Amino acid sequence: AQKITQTQPGMFVQEKEAVTLDCTYDTSDPSYGLFWYKQPSSGEMIFLIYQGSYDQQNATEGRYSLNFQKARKSANLVISASQLGDSAMYFCAMRGIGGNQFYFGTGTSLTVIP
Amino acid sequence: DVKVTQSSRYLVKRTGEKVFLECVQDMDHENMFWYRQDPGLGLRLIYFSYDVKMKEKGDIPEGYSVSREKKERFSLILESASTNQTSMYLCASFGRGPGNTIYFGEGSWLTVV
Repeated sequence: AQKITQTQPGMFVQEKEAVTLDCTYDTSDPSYGLFWYKQPSSGEMIFLIYQGSYDQQNATEGRYSLNFQKARKSANLVISASQLGDSAMYFCAMRGIGGNQFYFGTGTSLTVIP
Repeated sequence: DVKVTQSSRYLVKRTGEKVFLECVQDMDHENMFWYRQDPGLGLRLIYFSYDVKMKEKGDIPEGYSVSREKKERFSLILESASTNQTSMYLCASFGRGPGNTIYFGEGSWLTVV
């Protein structure tokens, strides 16, 4: 069974500091994709970053990077130099290759403190 | 610019009313989804469709039905709205390819009174 686990319901970070949001996953697929999304209070879901299971390097997109540890089945999101606008819900998700579903975690609420 | 459009952003309906939530995507995606989002529960899949006229139940289909008569349009129907269906509803779609992300609409905030 596919499952995504986010164990941090809420996190606080000081502005300009880095923060790591945890995500672990469970899958029997040999190939899969991992995604992170940001959801501000307005409700829209914004795609942040993607990591393929066979990618050798960790994905990076600007201030976002994905710390992918395949053996541990973890895909943590690292946000560097936090900004006030980073305050939002963050969801980790997984898609199995050939599958037609996305599986989401329960989310982490991040608050950036000035 | 890719787009998933949900017809209503905010709705207030009475208990027992029939409610239609419409979703249209312009990316020619095969797969479309309806999720419900509640605090602390994350996104829960109601129904999904991988082709026109095809539909599959998700994790919480009770009280809902769906319709997909055209590839670009996926409708969620609450046959008889109840107060426990007060929630935020998100429509989404994605296409083929492992790296393809899922695209979401802006969400529909439904209140049933």
